[in-house]
Amino acid sequence: SAVISQKPSRDICQRGTSLTIQCQVDSQVTMMFWYRQQPGQSLTLIATANQGSEATYESGFVIDKFPISRPNLTFSTLTVSNMSPEDSSIYLCSVYAGTDTQYFGPGTRLTVL
Amino acid sequence: KQEVTQIPAALSVPEGENLVLNCSFTDSAIYNLQWFRQDPGKGLTSLLLIQSSQREQTSGRLNASLDKSSGRSTLYIAASQPGDSATYLCAVRPDRGSTLGRLYFGRGTQLTVWP
Repeated sequence: SAVISQKPSRDICQRGTSLTIQCQVDSQVTMMFWYRQQPGQSLTLIATANQGSEATYESGFVIDKFPISRPNLTFSTLTVSNMSPEDSSIYLCSVYAGTDTQYFGPGTRLTVL
Repeated sequence: KQEVTQIPAALSVPEGENLVLNCSFTDSAIYNLQWFRQDPGKGLTSLLLIQSSQREQTSGRLNASLDKSSGRSTLYIAASQPGDSATYLCAVRPDRGSTLGRLYFGRGTQLTVWP
C-alpha cells in the first residue's frame, strides 16, 4: 500500500494567480498521476509524472497551464497557472505501489473567485 | 475513448437494506476494474479490484461482479449501515492505449444510509 499526503488541503484563490499543489508518498514509486474532479463530474487525468523526464499530458491539458515537477521518486508538484473560476476543482494525485491497486491522496479543493 | 457510466446517481435508503450499484463501460478491452469510496476531504479509498479474468471479488459486506463482455459491473452492499454513506466510484483501467496505468472514472453514486 501507499500513504499519500497533499498540501494544501484546500485554498481559495483570486483569478489570475497561480497555486502549487504538493504530493508526497511514503514510498518510492515510478509513476505518479494527477487527476482533476470538477464539481459534479468524474475524475479526469491531467498528466502522468515520471521521475527524470517530462510529464505526459492528456488531451486538453497543456504544460503552460499545469506545469508539473517530479524531482524524486516520492514527491511531485502540480501548479495551476493563471487561474479562472473554471479551474475550481478537487485535484488529486495517485500512485501504484507494487500492486494493481491505485492509491489516491486526500485531494486539494481549489476555489477560484 | 472509454466512457464509464454509473447508475443511479444518488441513492437514499434506510439502514439494513441490501443495495446494488451499477457501472457500465463502453470498451471491453480492460485490464481491471476498481470500485472506490470517496468521503469528503479524505480522497479515494479502494474497495475492490477485479482483474479482467475474474468474475467477482468479495470483501466483508461488499461484493463486486464483472461481466467484461457486456461492459458491466455491479457493487453489492449487504446490510447497509449509516457509515456506508459516501460516494462510490467505478473506474476501469484499459489494457491498451498510450497512457499506461490510467483510470477512467464514472461520475459516481452518492449513497445516503439513514438510521
